[in-house]
Amino acid sequence: QSALTQPASVSGSPGQSITISCTGSRSDIGTYVLVSWYQHHPGKAPKLLIYEVSKRPSGVSTRFSGSKSGNTASLTISGLQSEDEGDYYCCSYAGSSNSMVFGGGTKVTVL
Amino acid sequence: EVQLVESGGGLVQPGGSLTLSCAASGFILSNYDVHWVRQAPGKGLEWVSRIGTSGDKYYQASVKGRFSLSRDEAKNSLHLHMSSLTPDDTAVYFCARGGGSSWNWLDPWGQGTLVTVAS
Repeated sequence: QSALTQPASVSGSPGQSITISCTGSRSDIGTYVLVSWYQHHPGKAPKLLIYEVSKRPSGVSTRFSGSKSGNTASLTISGLQSEDEGDYYCCSYAGSSNSMVFGGGTKVTVL
Repeated sequence: EVQLVESGGGLVQPGGSLTLSCAASGFILSNYDVHWVRQAPGKGLEWVSRIGTSGDKYYQASVKGRFSLSRDEAKNSLHLHMSSLTPDDTAVYFCARGGGSSWNWLDPWGQGTLVTVAS
């Protein structure tokens, strides 16, 4: 099962909005709503931001939103803040291999 | 507080074996799916394996036949038994609780334990 494709890096100024794309295939994102997003600061535990494409766990800022179109999922961070700097990963169920597949990760920089 | 803590990482020679543990607190581990995810140095996250509530087990292709899972209900913990290790298995290994339906989200995660395979 190949990794999902994310841009290596995305940057924005404080207050701006940025969008991270995550492209898969019909074997994963294209067929299932089991798409989630995680924020990871090195040395710490990854944190769940979005599940089932667009749902937000309680406690996660409303500045984070998710969507999906075809084989591509997206994470939008609005009102960018310095604390949003870090690595972001998408993840999907891959039914044909009964596994989960992650994206390669996107490093977000706040300018 | 719901928490997962990994342990057992260390330095092991190529071809060697190592067992990682994932201790749960604040919930009964066997009532949830639990996954292992790893991150090689400078690389992204990679799913490794999952144990379901009924004890069903799944593994990523590259570790199938070398890694195995076992649950210790008395200690509310999960073990990842790794053998025939290669340098490609060098990574920080995280355990994470599965949420919702099978193969859905992962939350919470532990802080990880580092496995280094080198001579």
